[in-house]
Amino acid sequence: EDKVVQSPLSLVVHEGDTVTLNCSYEVTNFRSLLWYKQEKKAPTFLFMLTSSGIEKKSGRLSSILDKKELFSILNITATQTGDSAIYLCAVILFGNEKLTFGTGTRLTIIP
Amino acid sequence: DGGITQSPKYLFRKEGQNVTLSCEQNLNHDAMYWYRQDPGQGLRLIYYSQIVNDFQKGDIAEGYSVSREKKESFPLTVTSAQKNPTAFYLCASSEGLAGPYEQYFGPGTRLTVT
Repeated sequence: EDKVVQSPLSLVVHEGDTVTLNCSYEVTNFRSLLWYKQEKKAPTFLFMLTSSGIEKKSGRLSSILDKKELFSILNITATQTGDSAIYLCAVILFGNEKLTFGTGTRLTIIP
Repeated sequence: DGGITQSPKYLFRKEGQNVTLSCEQNLNHDAMYWYRQDPGQGLRLIYYSQIVNDFQKGDIAEGYSVSREKKESFPLTVTSAQKNPTAFYLCASSEGLAGPYEQYFGPGTRLTVT
């Protein structure tokens, strides 16, 4: 059975801290891994990672994939209260377009 | 202004009633999806459709039905056979088929069944 596991489940840090969120996967026919941010309602797309070792970056957020060790990390530097959200990781498999999601990491930034 | 709309935002029903959740997209996407989100369980796929008049069961399809008569629309019916229908339902779409493509999500419908 395909499995996506995120850790930690919940994280509380102070504004300005740097955080690292983890996503590991055990799936057949891995194609790509996606990160989403969910604040209140609709998840919004952050990154898609397909190749190992190539960092994707957007402002204070960055992410990288390790296809040998089957995991990805999402880094957020100089955190702000607006970064408080649930961060979801999902994988796409070859052969179909459906996403398999992890349970998410709930990140809370304290001012 | 392209996007995905879901209606209604909140829905209340009595047990034993079927209810249909609306999902419309004007992104010209081929693929559409329905997910259910429960606390602590992430998103689970109910049904998906990669082309008009065709759809496939996801991981938790029992008690749900869908139709895809138009490219823009992918309504989800929660039937009385669904044992725990109270949840947050999210619809998504993507360019689909030749992917991989990111999925874009609608604002969701929170369904409460009592």
